[in-house]
Amino acid sequence: EDQVTQSPEALRLQEGESSSLNCSYTVSGLRGLFWYRQDPGKGPEFLFTLYSAGEEKEKERLKATLTKKESFLHITAPKPEDSATYLCATPETGGSQGNLIFGKGTKLSVKP
Amino acid sequence: DAGVTQSPTHLIKTRGQQVTLRCSPKSGHDTVSWYQQALGQGPQFIFQYYEEEERQRGNFPDRFSGHQFPNYSSELNVNALLLGDSALYLCASTQQGYEQYFGPGTRLTVT
Repeated sequence: EDQVTQSPEALRLQEGESSSLNCSYTVSGLRGLFWYRQDPGKGPEFLFTLYSAGEEKEKERLKATLTKKESFLHITAPKPEDSATYLCATPETGGSQGNLIFGKGTKLSVKP
Repeated sequence: DAGVTQSPTHLIKTRGQQVTLRCSPKSGHDTVSWYQQALGQGPQFIFQYYEEEERQRGNFPDRFSGHQFPNYSSELNVNALLLGDSALYLCASTQQGYEQYFGPGTRLTVT
């Protein structure tokens, strides 16, 4: 059965304290690993897509990496405005590209 | 360039009633997917529409139905509302094979 698991569920950091979020996945034939940021009560905001092991993408303080079984979202020197829930997702096996399976997310809080 | 838009923003309904939610996709996108997100959970796929037809469906009952119009906009209908249908309903659009972009969502509360 396809599955996406994120850890930790919640993460509290001090401003400037770097850390990583984990997303492990079980699908037959990866067709993209997506990272989204979601602020409370709002829709997910697209961050990155990774397609193959070893691929890395960066945006400001965020860097996403991919292995054959998991993806990491590295946050370098975070700021309070990085506080949000970070979701990862991948298309379901046999499903269309639009049929995404999401993890439950990691709720990140960055204190000044 | 307008992103994905959804209406209404919030909605309160009573058990047993019916509701219609609306979505306009991002400019240039022809495929719309709907998701349900319960509090503290990741979004769950309801169904996807392409060329005015339901292309794929997740594990949701027939009470959930949809429609796509020639201009690619879409509606989600839920009949016989249950308390458990209370959630944030998200619409996402894409151009075939590319990343999905989500709208702000409609918060549905069933009392």
